[in-house]
Amino acid sequence: QKEVEQNSGPLSVPEGAIASLNCTYSDRVSQSFFWYRQYSGKSPELIMSIYSNGDKEDGRFTAQLNKASQYVSLLIRDSQPSDSATYLCAVNDRSNFGNEKLTFGTGTRLTIIP
Amino acid sequence: GAVVSQHPSWVICKSGTSVKIECRSLDFQATTMFWYRQFPKQSLMLMATSNEGSKATYEQGVEKDKFLINHASLTLSTLTVTSAHPEDSSFYICSASVLAYEQYFGPGTRLTVT
Repeated sequence: QKEVEQNSGPLSVPEGAIASLNCTYSDRVSQSFFWYRQYSGKSPELIMSIYSNGDKEDGRFTAQLNKASQYVSLLIRDSQPSDSATYLCAVNDRSNFGNEKLTFGTGTRLTIIP
Repeated sequence: GAVVSQHPSWVICKSGTSVKIECRSLDFQATTMFWYRQFPKQSLMLMATSNEGSKATYEQGVEKDKFLINHASLTLSTLTVTSAHPEDSSFYICSASVLAYEQYFGPGTRLTVT
């Protein structure tokens, strides 16, 4: 069974600092990786997708992927109180055509301290 | 990003009745739509995957006769909870994807069965 693991937290980070969120996955054939942000009582919002090894930057967010280590991370620079949320790591397996399911981690709860 | 809507956003129904939830992709045609359920402080649980014009694929343990899914067009999928019971009370979230495999979530429907 495919697994995606995240530290549940809570992770507390001072405002303005860098928040680092980590995720490991078990399925070596996974090819697509996503980070979602979920505020309490709301649905998930896609914030980053990454498909190849290395870094991908979008504003204050940087996703990092290392397929050899089966590891994906999300860095949030200049953390703001509005970044306080649960961050879900999700992994998709494209090895089987038409299989578009995502496997989600349980999420890391991030709190930015003003 | 792509926009997905859900209706209603919240619903209260009596035990034994049926409830229909609509999920629409507003600015794109979704090849696949997904239905999730999320209980408080738990991660997303995939219930079923649906493709337009074909039968939904249900995850193990999800009763297909209780959770009826219809995917009538590339922009509309519905989930009907039949003979609802209090244990069906949950946050139901749909998502839609195109060939890029990124999933975009609707705002969710909070169901309370009394």
